[in-house]
Amino acid sequence: GAVVSQHPSWVICKSGTSVKIECRSLDFQATTMFWYRQFPKQSLMLMATSNEGSKATYEQGVEKDKFLINHASLTLSTLTVTSAHPEDSSFYICSAGGQVNSPLHFGNGTRLTVT
Amino acid sequence: GEDVEQSLFLSVREGDSSVINCTYTDSSSTYLYWYKQEPGAGLQLLTYIFSNMDMKQDQRLTVLLNKKDKHLSLRIADTQTGDSAIYFCAEIRASNSGYALNFGKGTSLLVTP
Repeated sequence: GAVVSQHPSWVICKSGTSVKIECRSLDFQATTMFWYRQFPKQSLMLMATSNEGSKATYEQGVEKDKFLINHASLTLSTLTVTSAHPEDSSFYICSAGGQVNSPLHFGNGTRLTVT
Repeated sequence: GEDVEQSLFLSVREGDSSVINCTYTDSSSTYLYWYKQEPGAGLQLLTYIFSNMDMKQDQRLTVLLNKKDKHLSLRIADTQTGDSAIYFCAEIRASNSGYALNFGKGTSLLVTP
């Protein structure tokens, strides 16, 4: 089946630093990748959608200057949390799909803790 | 916006059947999905059903879809302790970029020996 790899699995950083999270589709070309955020015991909140070769589209309430998304190739998207603060601590999950309406496959998530 | 609704918790005994229910919001959703999340892990696609189907069976999993009532259910036969996890149903919903998955809050399934 389709595999999406997310790295790192967990990261601890100091307040004010930036953290980059990578999302790779390993056996298919992902024209679209989605970045979600999950709070404890909560559902997944869509942060943004990235399309290969174009700017990401952010959902309402998500700061695009704080959560930088790059989708430079059909197999890689990155999310950079800039100037991280403790309130950015969360579980970030990426997903990738090929065609519209095709099932989305998820990475294993990244647990970010900002101290 | 409207929420995808799921019951938050279900407890069953090992060997029994589990039924997880979901009410979705977007009748135009072409597919409806069930994902499984184990502690500290990402989401694993369990199964999905095309909107023109009423039922889909895949080994121990049976999905029932009632489009009129926008009701989706997942039945797990012969539930095992390894099935303990959070189960999310999801619909396709319009987003700022076109489309994305909209999830319920998840149902925590606890399987006891």
